[in-house]
This record gives sequence, C-alpha cells and structure tokens, in this order.
Amino acid sequence: GEDVEQSLFLSVREGDSSVINCTYTDSSSTYLYWYKQEPGAGLQLLTYIFSNMDMKQDQRLTVLLNKKDKHLSLRIADTQTGDSAIYFCAERDMDSNYQLIWGAGTKLIIKP
Amino acid sequence: NAGVMQNPRHLVRRRGQEARLRCSPMKGHSHVYWYRQLPEEGLKFMVYLQKENIIDESGMPKERFSAEFPKEGPSILRIQQVVRGDSAAYFCASSPVFLDLTGELFFGEGSRLTVL
Repeated sequence: GEDVEQSLFLSVREGDSSVINCTYTDSSSTYLYWYKQEPGAGLQLLTYIFSNMDMKQDQRLTVLLNKKDKHLSLRIADTQTGDSAIYFCAERDMDSNYQLIWGAGTKLIIKP
Repeated sequence: NAGVMQNPRHLVRRRGQEARLRCSPMKGHSHVYWYRQLPEEGLKFMVYLQKENIIDESGMPKERFSAEFPKEGPSILRIQQVVRGDSAAYFCASSPVFLDLTGELFFGEGSRLTVL
C-alpha cells in the first residue's frame, strides 16, 4: 500500500537552513503537503505542491519535488526558534479525494 | 475560539471502559474527519462524516468503534471496551466543503487516550 517516510528528528542551529525530507511510494500522487504542528496545537497547513511542479517558494519556505525519486523536501531558510515544531508530510492520490496518506512527522529542534 | 475544538485533551480509561471523544468543527464547517496517531507513526484515517451522515468509515475498526455527527452538537468518536492498543492521539479535522484541491484540513489539538 501507499507509504510516506520521514526521519523522526532534525536538529539545526538557529540561523541555519533546515531541510526536512520525505519519501513516498504512490506514483499516482497528485498533491503533496507539508503540515506544521506546534507544541500543544493542532496541525496547520504550511504549504502544498502539485505533482506537475518541481519547486515552490514562499518567503522562507522552499518545497522541492523530485517525482522520479518520489522525494519531497521542505527547506526553511534562516531557521528561528519559532520554527520548532513537528512537520508532517502528506500525499493525496488520484483514487482518493480526501484520504491523505501521512508521514510520522519530523520534529525540528533548534539549537541556540 | 473559532478553531476546531476537541475534548477532553487527555483521557485515561481502564481496560473494558468506554471512551467518548468530542469534536466541534470550525464554524461553518460541515465536514469532519477523525484520525488516529500511534507513537512515532503518521496519522491514520478513521472516518469521514457530514451532518447526520457517515460518508466513509473504511478506516474504522469493525468492532468497538463508532462515530456520529448529529444535526446539533459535536461529532463524537466512541470506543467501547477499550484495550491497551487503543492508546493513541485522536485528531479531529474539519473542512468547509468536501476536501478541495488545496487539501486544507483544519485540525483540533487532539485527544490523547491512555488505557491502563
């Protein structure tokens, strides 16, 4: 079945760039998403990318999609303490309009 | 607070008891989704409801689990005769319409069930 894999932890220094990676198995994925969960809060949609795109940039966030390798990444430039959160990757395939397939989430830890 | 409200935030039950988790969607949202998250795993879809209708319960265990979204009041996820394996975080999400192309779901803070 479909699967989405993420590393569980990433530690970066404040001011550096963070790169959170995600791999997925479903070749019919149409949309891929990054959600952010801050401590004690619900998940919030951060950004999404259509499968016909290679890159999407939004201020400090850059999403890269490599369809051949089924690899998605989220780059956060100039990482700040407020970026501390768990980042979830999710995909949506053509066969399911609402069932997102989720990764386990990557906890981003910021070192001073 | 106009966000998705879940309660209780934490619930402790002994094996064999019942757990009821409640979710009030965002104002104006009529679509509710329940997800379960086990430690170090991704969210797993359980059920999708609209007011008074269960649209898709393909992710729900066949026994002991039920969900409803009545005309008035919150959506309720009910787990009867809980077992230790039911310990997890249960997230509710809502959307204003059938999940659109952006895939934006609005999540609650989750209810963490611990079964002793």
